[in-house]
Amino acid sequence: QVQLQESGPGLVKPSETLSLTCTVSGGSVSSGNYYWSWIRQPPGEGLEWIGYIFYSGSTNYNPSLKSRVTISVDTSKNQFSLRLSSVTAADTALYYCARFPRGKYTFDSWGQGTLVTVSS
Amino acid sequence: QSALTQPASVSGSPGQSITISCTGTSSDVGGYNYVSWYQQHPGKAPKLMIYEVSNRPSGVSNRFSGSKSGNTASLTISGLQAEDEADYYCSSYTSSSNPYVFGTGTKVTVL
Repeated sequence: QVQLQESGPGLVKPSETLSLTCTVSGGSVSSGNYYWSWIRQPPGEGLEWIGYIFYSGSTNYNPSLKSRVTISVDTSKNQFSLRLSSVTAADTALYYCARFPRGKYTFDSWGQGTLVTVSS
Repeated sequence: QSALTQPASVSGSPGQSITISCTGTSSDVGGYNYVSWYQQHPGKAPKLMIYEVSNRPSGVSNRFSGSKSGNTASLTISGLQAEDEADYYCSSYTSSSNPYVFGTGTKVTVL
């Protein structure tokens, strides 16, 4: 059974870049059957899709974040990563990584989430 | 792309059935059979309960069922149990520039 685990700094200063990594076990990011996604949830609020990446490196981002987001994949480490630049307090959230089966438009496995706070 | 609309809260007694609605537009819920439902207990990651409107992943209780009519999808929980108390989110593929949208979320309370 696939497991996903987020890692990265829990505190980021305003205007800096948020960087998170998702490590996949029990499955491969090189599988052509899945996209690998990032989703966030501000405290007490709902879910927001950030974007996803395919093992080939092709990506798709939420237009509201597109100018600040980069998602990359490292098949040798079985990881994929999120970078969000020029962060503000509005980017404070629980960040989840998740698996997205091709053609099913759903997220079938999720990491536990990691809280990132933007504060000086 | 606006979030899909869900009631803020729904409640029911143990053993009862409840239904949570998820209203969108013809560009999302009404246009595609790609509606999913997620259950989220406090402090936990979301768990997929329903995909493609009415399909249950392996291991999900058959007390959970999904349906759709027009631009509104619904999640029904039958035989309500204390463990069902959680937040529930719908989601849908959309034809807009943002291809994936979530609902506003519904808090289910078991009385």
